[in-house]
Amino acid sequence: AQSVTQLGSHVSVSEGALVLLRCNYSSSVPPYLFWYVQYPNQGLQLLLKYTTGATLVKGINGFEAEFKKSETSFHLTKPSAHMSDAAEYFCAVSEGNNNDMRFGAGTRLTVKP
Amino acid sequence: DAGVTQSPTHLIKTRGQQVTLRCSPKSGHDTVSWYQQALGQGPQFIFQYYEEEERQRGNFPDRFSGHQFPNYSSELNVNALLLGDSALYLCASSLGSGPGQPQHFGDGTRLSIL
Repeated sequence: AQSVTQLGSHVSVSEGALVLLRCNYSSSVPPYLFWYVQYPNQGLQLLLKYTTGATLVKGINGFEAEFKKSETSFHLTKPSAHMSDAAEYFCAVSEGNNNDMRFGAGTRLTVKP
Repeated sequence: DAGVTQSPTHLIKTRGQQVTLRCSPKSGHDTVSWYQQALGQGPQFIFQYYEEEERQRGNFPDRFSGHQFPNYSSELNVNALLLGDSALYLCASSLGSGPGQPQHFGDGTRLSIL
C-alpha cells in the first residue's frame, strides 16, 4: 500500500528565501503524486501533480516539484517565498487503479518578514 | 464555474447521535470522495462514490456510510458518534474514478462532538 512521509512538521523561511518542503513516498507500483496547500479554515487546493512524463513539474504560484524515483522523493520548491505562501502543505500519493489518495501529515510553512 | 460545496460548515453533536453531511461536486465531475481530517493531521480517506456505488473504502468502521445521488451529489452519514469523530470532513470531486485524477476539495464541515 502507498504511503507518504513529510519531513519536518514546521518550516520557517524569510521572505524572499528559497522554500523547500520534503516528501518521500512508498509505493509498490509507479505512483501518482500531488502537492496540496491548505489555508486556515479552508479546504485543500491543488498546487501540482505528477502522473507520467517529465519529472520536473511546475505548478501554480511559482511552485515546482521534481519526481526522483531512485530517491522515492517528490520535494516541493519555490525560489522566493512570499508572505502569502504561509499555509499548511500536504503531499499525497495514489497508485494503480485506485484514486484514493494517501496524505502525509503536512508541513506548516511560516514566512518571516 | 461552481466548485465543490459542502453543508453545513459547522455542526455540534453529542455522543451517540447521528449526523449527515452533504456535498455537491464541482460542475462536470462525477466522482465524490470523503476524507476525515483530525486537528493537526493530514486527511484520511473514508470512501469514494462513482455511479452511485461505493467503489473504494478506507479503514473506517461501518458507522460511516454514504450515498451518491443521480445528480452526483453525495452524503456522508455517521452513526453512534464518538468523541474521536470530531474533525473536519472534506469532500473532494473528480472526473472519473481512474488513477491520477486530481481531486478538487470543498472547504469542509467542521464536526464537533460534545
